[in-house]
Amino acid sequence: QVQLQESGPGLVKPSDTLSLTCAVSNYSIRSSNWWGWIRQTPGKGLEWIGYIYASGSTYYNPSLQSRVSMSVDTSKNQFSLKLTSMTAVDTAMYYCARTRTGYWFFDLWGRGTLVTVSS
Amino acid sequence: DIQMTQSPSTLSASVGDRVTITCRASQSISKWLAWYQQKPGKAPKLLISYASSLESGVPSRFSGSVSGTEFTLTISSLQPDDYATYYCQQYSSHSGTFGQGTKVEIK
Repeated sequence: QVQLQESGPGLVKPSDTLSLTCAVSNYSIRSSNWWGWIRQTPGKGLEWIGYIYASGSTYYNPSLQSRVSMSVDTSKNQFSLKLTSMTAVDTAMYYCARTRTGYWFFDLWGRGTLVTVSS
Repeated sequence: DIQMTQSPSTLSASVGDRVTITCRASQSISKWLAWYQQKPGKAPKLLISYASSLESGVPSRFSGSVSGTEFTLTISSLQPDDYATYYCQQYSSHSGTFGQGTKVEIK
């Protein structure tokens, strides 16, 4: 079955850059889907971070746009997130997900990875 | 930005109860709304899209409806497996904002 798996450091120091990767298995990342990152905190709930298409086209949440970048590696069937200038408020569960073709909702999610920002 | 106001934040109900969760959009989003179920330690799971279209494999006791900008998720007869947190998400554009969530607890 189709699976998404996030990977990256569980602990990041303040002011550092977070780098996460989402590996997609049993499904081509070149299919007609956008791929997204979402984070979840107790305080702000679910927050979309951005979307990326296999071509490299992106949409970012305006509230994070100055700090976020996403990329895709079709040869490895994975996509990535970078979030700069991390602070404690960026401590969250980070999910990668697939959008339903032609729509902006998420029909398949990874298990998530907990990222803590602390010195 | 479109805001999604979900209510209630917490709901206590017994097995067999009819449960209703509401999500109100700050402006028209047509029927571009999805509902997700999230259990502790798990990722959200898609239940309904386009306001009322049930995903394959989702029990028929779940249903969605819309009236103007007010969307409703109904569980006709609450089952033990349904105790979870439910989120709405508008997807009228790529700025797909989520509601704050409704936790369904055991009464």
